[in-house]
Amino acid sequence: EPEVTQTPSHQVTQMGQEVILRCVPISNHLYFYWYRQILGQKVEFLVSFYNNEISEKSEIFDDQFSVERPDGSNFTLKIRSTKLEDSAMYFCAGTRDSLNYGYTFGSGTRLTVV
Amino acid sequence: DQQVKQNSPSLSVQEGRISILNCDYTNSMFDYFLWYKKYPAEGPTFLISISSIKDKNEDGRFTVFLNKSAKHLSLHIVPSQPGDSAVYFCAGNSGGSNYKLTFGKGTLLTVNP
Repeated sequence: EPEVTQTPSHQVTQMGQEVILRCVPISNHLYFYWYRQILGQKVEFLVSFYNNEISEKSEIFDDQFSVERPDGSNFTLKIRSTKLEDSAMYFCAGTRDSLNYGYTFGSGTRLTVV
Repeated sequence: DQQVKQNSPSLSVQEGRISILNCDYTNSMFDYFLWYKKYPAEGPTFLISISSIKDKNEDGRFTVFLNKSAKHLSLHIVPSQPGDSAVYFCAGNSGGSNYKLTFGKGTLLTVNP
């Protein structure tokens, strides 16, 4: 069964450093997302991406965040200058064209900012 | 702004019994709802969904009920199995072209053998 692959599984970074979280979506998916979950909190929407551009972003997704799908395969989330409060599980997800079977999520990247 | 509320952080059930997980929502624009299951160190896995034009959807041991007037949905698992022990998230979608989901905080279900 096709999978969404996220790397790394765990990233520890110093406050103020840039991090890039990587995702390889399922090849026939068209809509891509980043969500995050701070420990014990709900899964929060960050950004949606379709047709090589951002289709919607949340208030969390400020100027420190950016997404790219540079080669039509990898889908990356960059945080330019990490803050302590960016520590969370970051999930990449995708769907082809409906919610009939929900999204397919990756296993997540645990980002720890120290 | 909690548009999707799962007021029970945890639920414990005996194997073989029914598990009922509840979810309330405030956004009247939601027209599609999904339940996800999440094991530790894994991403959420889609379980079952329901459109707002229905009041029930069933898939094997899992049934989702939707009460639009009460803005309430529930997930029934019967019979519950130890492998069902996980965090269950309710999510809503308000249509539109990008399929964005709004999640609740989740309920940790523990099924005891």
